[in-house]
Amino acid sequence: DTAVSQTPKYLVTQMGNDKSIKCEQNLGHDTMYWYKQDSKKFLKIMFSYNNKELIINETVPNRFSPKSPDKAHLNLHINSLELGDSAVYFCASSQRLIPYEQYFGPGTRLTVT
Amino acid sequence: DQQVKQNSPSLSVQEGRISILNCDYTNSMFDYFLWYKKYPAEGPTFLISISSIKDKNEDGRFTVFLNKSAKHLSLHIVPSQPGDSAVYFCAASEESGTYKYIFGTGTRLKVLA
Repeated sequence: DTAVSQTPKYLVTQMGNDKSIKCEQNLGHDTMYWYKQDSKKFLKIMFSYNNKELIINETVPNRFSPKSPDKAHLNLHINSLELGDSAVYFCASSQRLIPYEQYFGPGTRLTVT
Repeated sequence: DQQVKQNSPSLSVQEGRISILNCDYTNSMFDYFLWYKKYPAEGPTFLISISSIKDKNEDGRFTVFLNKSAKHLSLHIVPSQPGDSAVYFCAASEESGTYKYIFGTGTRLKVLA
């Protein structure tokens, strides 16, 4: 039984395209996150939602738009993809906002060509 | 500005010996810390946490030590096992602050059989 799942696991696309990554958690958690791990392996938060409300919106280009249709889902839509968007994107959830540990999905490796 | 630093990118330890992974932080407002383990092609997995009201927390083979005056924490794994070979991330947050964790860049641990 997967706790936090992401689809797709791999995504290869061309510059300028629009793509979405889906995330679902079955842990009953209130809070969900999107992280980006860049080529230097640095994990950086992008967004967090608590009970479907946007809590954190880091300095992320507005081409990135999160959508939380319900507490169990947090999707990430990316418009006009650029080469620099290539990275691994991780979804995570936690019971509540800090200080609770986060449970991560397996990641989505996005490659923009 | 890297507020959480793991200055050793890699560490090799013999099976059965102690592994010590270090993490330094610069923000004195951080008061909650976590360690995660990450295998290739998987998301990070929570290991152990510590609040700033403690200086030590233990869970089985894993112990985290916090030295607030030095702004330093360490993860001890005793005894080390080959299955512990992974990348270890420390993360820090302010419990009543920004609702986000700042991650270090990780240390790759290799436990030699």
